[in-house]
Amino acid sequence: TQLLEQSPQFLSIQEGENLTVYCNSSSVFSSLQWYRQEPGEGPVLLVTVVTGGEVKKLKRLTFQFGDARKDSSLHITAAQPGDTGLYLCAGEYNNDMRFGAGTRLTVKP
Amino acid sequence: KAGVTQTPRYLIKTRGQQVTLSCSPISGHRSVSWYQQTPGQGLQFLFEYFSETQRNKGNFPGRFSGRQFSNSRSEMNVSTLELGDSALYLCASSPRVQYEQYFGPGTRLTVT
Repeated sequence: TQLLEQSPQFLSIQEGENLTVYCNSSSVFSSLQWYRQEPGEGPVLLVTVVTGGEVKKLKRLTFQFGDARKDSSLHITAAQPGDTGLYLCAGEYNNDMRFGAGTRLTVKP
Repeated sequence: KAGVTQTPRYLIKTRGQQVTLSCSPISGHRSVSWYQQTPGQGLQFLFEYFSETQRNKGNFPGRFSGRQFSNSRSEMNVSTLELGDSALYLCASSPRVQYEQYFGPGTRLTVT
């Protein structure tokens, strides 16, 4: 069982649709990070959320940290083909960084 | 600032051989972490170095080792390669330990 459970595992949508992906844990994290990884490349940091209940916006992407700091969500408005990629959440646990398995998003034109 | 660089980008080795991968962090970053990424296991933490000291190590056998130099550059070594070591090996640097990770493009290792 992953420490950070991400859902859905796969998501395929049409351009212009909205979507939400989730990152859940039974453990409390001091912060959580979201990354996007494109094929053949390393993950790229999108955002770090630190405070319970925090909401951060990055253009069409909205990130939320749960009040109890055990979960987070990523909402994308009007998805574009350029949003295609593997979305990973991560957090520090027992002195190492733990990553979820990721949500693989495909946005079709 | 230049990003994290990793060399080589691609590598093919035979079972039983050893391999050394190299990573140059972002200038000013003193923490370097290594990860293994496979389709089945996802992204798994290998080890982290800070100021030339291994700070933490993930759940990998002793065949996996690393080191960090005084200029923060890092290398990881895998000895006695097994087929299951085929993976994308990612290096990430950070301005401080266990903080936001800035990844390199990875080294794709194939063991035949």
